[in-house]
Amino acid sequence: GDSVTQMEGPVTLSEEAFLTINCTYTATGYPSLFWYVQYPGEGLQLLLKATKADDKGSNKGFEATYRKETTSFHLEKGSVQVSDSAVYFCALGDTGTASKLTFGTGTRLQVTL
Amino acid sequence: GAVVSQHPSWVICKSGTSVKIECRSLDFQATTMFWYRQFPKQSLMLMATSNEGSKATYEQGVEKDKFLINHASLTLSTLTVTSAHPEDSSFYICSASWAGAPNEQFFGPGTRLTVL
Repeated sequence: GDSVTQMEGPVTLSEEAFLTINCTYTATGYPSLFWYVQYPGEGLQLLLKATKADDKGSNKGFEATYRKETTSFHLEKGSVQVSDSAVYFCALGDTGTASKLTFGTGTRLQVTL
Repeated sequence: GAVVSQHPSWVICKSGTSVKIECRSLDFQATTMFWYRQFPKQSLMLMATSNEGSKATYEQGVEKDKFLINHASLTLSTLTVTSAHPEDSSFYICSASWAGAPNEQFFGPGTRLTVL
């Protein structure tokens, strides 16, 4: 079945540091890939997405590129801020309409001054 | 656009009572709604998928008689935790999707349930 593997956290960075959170997946077909962010006590918010190979999703300075050859969708940001502290989830959805999402375990990011 | 609300945002109840959680799509018609459960510091576990007007499809290991899901309209789904016990304490999150945005789910803010 489909699965998503994320790097374990927590990840602790100083403000303005470079961020990479690794995500790899296993799926049949050509899934869509997502990054969601969850701030403390809140639900999930879509951060970015990519629907086909070589697509790059970007939002709020975050980027991730859909790499089919390595089955990866790593999240990056060039300069993190304290306000980026949250839990980040990588997820994949199959190609059906209103598809189920398969989530990774989440990676907690803590950014300090 | 594509806003999903949940009510209540938190609830405390006594063991043995039932609790109902509402999930509403505020500005779109949700063809499908999903219910998730999230344990502390863990990922989301899909509990069930529901389509308007039909019975919910439960994931393996989820007790359908324990977690009753009703999706009576295109904007409302409810999750009722029946005869709640302390082990049911968790963060419950719903999401919704619609025909205009295939392969995407819009999440509610979650409901924190504490069973004493």
